[in-house]
Amino acid sequence: GDSVTQMEGPVTLSEEAFLTINCTYTATGYPSLFWYVQYPGEGLQLLLKATKADDKGSNKGFEATYRKETTSFHLEKGSVQVSDSAVYFCAPYSGGSNYKLTFGKGTLLTVNP
Amino acid sequence: GAGVSQSPRYKVAKRGQDVALRCDPISGHVSLFWYQQALGQGPEFLTYFQNEAQLDKSGLPSDRFFAERPEGSVSTLKIQRTQQEDSAVYLCASSLRAGSDTGELFFGEGSRLTVL
Repeated sequence: GDSVTQMEGPVTLSEEAFLTINCTYTATGYPSLFWYVQYPGEGLQLLLKATKADDKGSNKGFEATYRKETTSFHLEKGSVQVSDSAVYFCAPYSGGSNYKLTFGKGTLLTVNP
Repeated sequence: GAGVSQSPRYKVAKRGQDVALRCDPISGHVSLFWYQQALGQGPEFLTYFQNEAQLDKSGLPSDRFFAERPEGSVSTLKIQRTQQEDSAVYLCASSLRAGSDTGELFFGEGSRLTVL
């Protein structure tokens, strides 16, 4: 089955700092790759996705590039805001007979003003 | 609203009690998943329904856990004789088509269970 290794948290940054959260995966074939975000007190929601090698997913200033050669999908943001404080989860999805998303342990990000 | 709705949001149970957690998915969504999220961990798969059929229950930790979706919409996760290790947030998610569809799941806010 699919698996994912995610950068251990917590990560604490000052506002406007640069963010990187590392994610590497193991999956069958050529999976789609996802980042989900969980804001305090809320359910998980899709942040961004990429469906094939070299694709870049982006949303809300966050970006991640599908790197097939390194099986990675690192999340980046050039200038974080306090409102970005949340838990971030990386998830590969192979589809087909493997119909469920497998999540990483999550990385807690705290952004201080 | 149009999102996934879960109830109760918070449940405190004494060890040995039975609990039932409800999930109301987005109308028309074929697939429904239950995940368990322990404190500081990622969601762990429990079970999957495609319409009313429970196609996978391999993630259920023991036979004390039971889930149903009798009419292919609302689902209930039941935990019998709760134990302290059952304390977690139980997440429900749905997707429009079979499986995780294109990989985008819509999650509810979760039901936080605390077993004393």
